[in-house]
Amino acid sequence: GQNIDQPTEMTATEGAIVQINCTYQTSGFNGLFWYQQHAGEAPTFLSYNVLDGLEEKGRFSSFLSRSKGYSYLLLKELQMKDSASYLCAVSAAGAGSYQLTFGKGTKLSVIP
Amino acid sequence: GAGVSQTPSNKVTEKGKYVELRCDPISGHTALYWYRQSLGQGPEFLIYFQGTGAADDSGLPNDRFFAVRPEGSVSTLKIQRTERGDSAVYLCASSGISSAESTDTQYFGPGTRLTVL
Repeated sequence: GQNIDQPTEMTATEGAIVQINCTYQTSGFNGLFWYQQHAGEAPTFLSYNVLDGLEEKGRFSSFLSRSKGYSYLLLKELQMKDSASYLCAVSAAGAGSYQLTFGKGTKLSVIP
Repeated sequence: GAGVSQTPSNKVTEKGKYVELRCDPISGHTALYWYRQSLGQGPEFLIYFQGTGAADDSGLPNDRFFAVRPEGSVSTLKIQRTERGDSAVYLCASSGISSAESTDTQYFGPGTRLTVL
């Protein structure tokens, strides 16, 4: 089966750095995605990792270790608008399907 | 279009009724996905289309749920004899193997919030 774990909630201060962890156990692996979801809105794509290592994109970075089944999303220079849920999702391709299996999401609150 | 669109944005129906939810994917995207998201949960996969055919419908919870994509573009998710437990946000996503940035990145629509009374 598929299992993806991430913390339920986190709080961080504006201007600071926060790391959101994700661990996964899946029967296959075709890549790991991070999405941002503001309340009442659609998930929006943040990052994609398929090889081990760090992918940096502006204030956001994502890390993957396939051997450990572990990823994290790093947000730098936090802004109030970063308050949202962050979803970790694994693509476990099988029979040609690239369906995503999502974690429950981490609700990040950025405080002044 | 510029992004994935879904209609209606909200749908309220009574238990036992039939509903249809529509998804219009990003132009040129061959893959289309339906997910369902309950409050406080991540999206849950329902069905995947590659072109006109349902390549993976393993996530459909039961035979009350059905989806079509007759011309390989717009898709309709159909729910018969709705139950209160079907209340959720139904999300549609599309992807195409055309991005230099990521392979098969799924882009989501705004969703349809279904409420079954």
